Amino acid sequence: EIVLTQSPATLSLSPGERVTLSCRASQSVSSYLAWYQQKPGQAPRLLIYDASNRATGIPGRFSGSGSGTDFTLTISSLEPEDFAVYYCQQRSNRPPRVTFGGGTKVEIK
Amino acid sequence: QVQLQESGPGLVKPSQTLSLSCTVSGGSISRGDYYWSWTRQPPGKGLEWIGYIHYIGSTYYNPSLKSRVTISVDTSKNQFSLKLYSVTAADTAVYYCARDAGVVVVAARYYYYGMDVWGQGTTVTVSS
Repeated sequence: EIVLTQSPATLSLSPGERVTLSCRASQSVSSYLAWYQQKPGQAPRLLIYDASNRATGIPGRFSGSGSGTDFTLTISSLEPEDFAVYYCQQRSNRPPRVTFGGGTKVEIK
Repeated sequence: QVQLQESGPGLVKPSQTLSLSCTVSGGSISRGDYYWSWTRQPPGKGLEWIGYIHYIGSTYYNPSLKSRVTISVDTSKNQFSLKLYSVTAADTAVYYCARDAGVVVVAARYYYYGMDVWGQGTTVTVSS
């Protein structure tokens, strides 16, 4: 089973700051990695698919990069509505299975 | 656009079976090459994938839950369902259904499109 490790567990930042979140896979997942944002009491929302593509309606300040085992989600300038928990997720193809990372909480400093 | 809505009991007794349904509206569950997924989130914890089903009936499960899970699809009702057997307090969680857009070939390159539509989630508590 592929394990995704996200770091750090928590980030304390101020609006306007640049954020870089890390997700590392225990073995190569190619580019089959997605990022989600989850706010309290809400379902996860897809931000990035296939490692580097923004989902429909996602602001340009969100970007993803990486392939193989190391991935990054960057928020270029934090807006107040961006304080949330972020999860990475991989999808293997044979057999088709999914795993999530443990999440990174971005909180207001 | 496609929307998902979970339904089912909010309270289940230990050792019994948790049963949830997810109704798909705004589109057909049989259209496209999607996988229809269940994910859960225990209180204060992260996301755990349970499994998913393709409308033709192929199912794939999290190995850690495989012995206790069945996911099925009813195309006539545009629904898919989850059954989790022999539940314990550890199964208390918010349960989400979602659409997994899968791996798609575009211009000879493979893309994974992620879980692009989610239900709002339903809380299930396991308690006597």
